[in-house]
Amino acid sequence: EVQLVESGGGLVKPGGSLRLSCAASGFTFSSSGMNWVRQAPGKGLEWVSSISSSGNYIYYADSVKGRFTISRDNAKNSLYLQMNSLRAEDTAVYYCAREKRGSSPIFDYWGQGTLVTVSS
Amino acid sequence: QSALTQPASVSGSPGQSITISCTGTSSDVGGYKYVSWYQQHPGKAPKLMIYDVRNRPSGVSNRFSGSKSGNTASLTISGLQAEDEADYYCTSYTSSNILEVVFGGGTKLTVL
Repeated sequence: EVQLVESGGGLVKPGGSLRLSCAASGFTFSSSGMNWVRQAPGKGLEWVSSISSSGNYIYYADSVKGRFTISRDNAKNSLYLQMNSLRAEDTAVYYCAREKRGSSPIFDYWGQGTLVTVSS
Repeated sequence: QSALTQPASVSGSPGQSITISCTGTSSDVGGYKYVSWYQQHPGKAPKLMIYDVRNRPSGVSNRFSGSKSGNTASLTISGLQAEDEADYYCTSYTSSNILEVVFGGGTKLTVL
């Protein structure tokens, strides 16, 4: 059974940093592109970042470029999102999502999400 | 990147059919075959319902179907059931800037 479990969310002050993790199991993690998608309270889904299976190709939404860094450790079956210079508008539930196939915005499995709250 | 345009809400009675539109541009919906649709119940993670415009993942009811014409994609749900009440989101690649993923603003489906 495919499982994605996010962790690392919490309350952080504006300008602070946080590192999210996503533990994957039930599939060959090293063969799958992975993404972070967020959802602000009461709002819609917003794509944040993607990383290819090898980690060689990385993309970011303009809203987080230069502040967030996506990475992965295929030996640990884990995906990460380092978030720096956090702003109030980064407050959201952050989901990790698996790409159904490489280089495609088709997310066939999602984690349960982890809440990040940016507030003083 | 700009979100794809979806109606904020649609409604229908049990047994009826509804269609949710997703309008973009030639740089996203019109330019790629990768339109997907997701269903999200309150407090839950999104669930993939349609990919590559019209394909259903294993386990998704055949009451759900997708199509595309030009820059507009559509999700049709036939034989509406109470459990279909949820938020629905479309998504596509966009090449308006660099290759990015763009979601629609979401549509709240109410089953009357």
